[in-house]
Amino acid sequence: AQTVTQSQPEMSVQEAETVTLSCTYDTSESDYYLFWYKQPPSRQMILVIRQEAYKQQNATENRFSVNFQKAAKSFSLKISDSQLGDAAMYFCAFCTGANSKLTFGKGITLSVRP
Amino acid sequence: NAGVTQTPKFQVLKTGQSMTLQCAQDMNHEYMSWYRQDPGMGLRLIHYSVGAGITDQGEVPNGYNVSRSTTEDFPLRLLSAAPSQTSVYFCASSYGGHTQYFGPGTRLTVL
Repeated sequence: AQTVTQSQPEMSVQEAETVTLSCTYDTSESDYYLFWYKQPPSRQMILVIRQEAYKQQNATENRFSVNFQKAAKSFSLKISDSQLGDAAMYFCAFCTGANSKLTFGKGITLSVRP
Repeated sequence: NAGVTQTPKFQVLKTGQSMTLQCAQDMNHEYMSWYRQDPGMGLRLIHYSVGAGITDQGEVPNGYNVSRSTTEDFPLRLLSAAPSQTSVYFCASSYGGHTQYFGPGTRLTVL
């Protein structure tokens, strides 16, 4: 069975600074996908970034980038130039190439200090 | 294009009552799923469907039923609500590629 671990329940960052959210996963599969979802107080689940395991290049979406270390099974999210609107819960998630069933970590609450 | 819609947004039930949470998508996605979110637990998969007429169980299926008669709709039924089913419920859909798009969620309270 696949597992996703987010060991930090909470983090805080100063506005305009950079923060990194950690995620590790465990799987025996070779074909899989990794995601970071953002959940603001509105409760909506918003896709932040996606990484295909077969791609060596780290995914980037504007101020959001990942550090994907396949051998270490690590998938961290870096948020640059943090903004007040980045304050939310962030979930790391995983699914294999065989299906679309997502396995989620427990999430991390990110606060942004003005 | 409304994406994934869920109704109702909020619901309060008494123990033993039944109800159906509605989910619809207008993106012609073949894959649909239901998750529940509990504090400190992340989201957990309840049931999923890979196409009309095909459903299967996820991680926490007990107490829930689903059916998929059309591509667009994937309702979740609680047959006899229990306090342990108090949660936030999310419906999601995807078309290959494994990227899932979520509905706005339903907050359910069972007294």
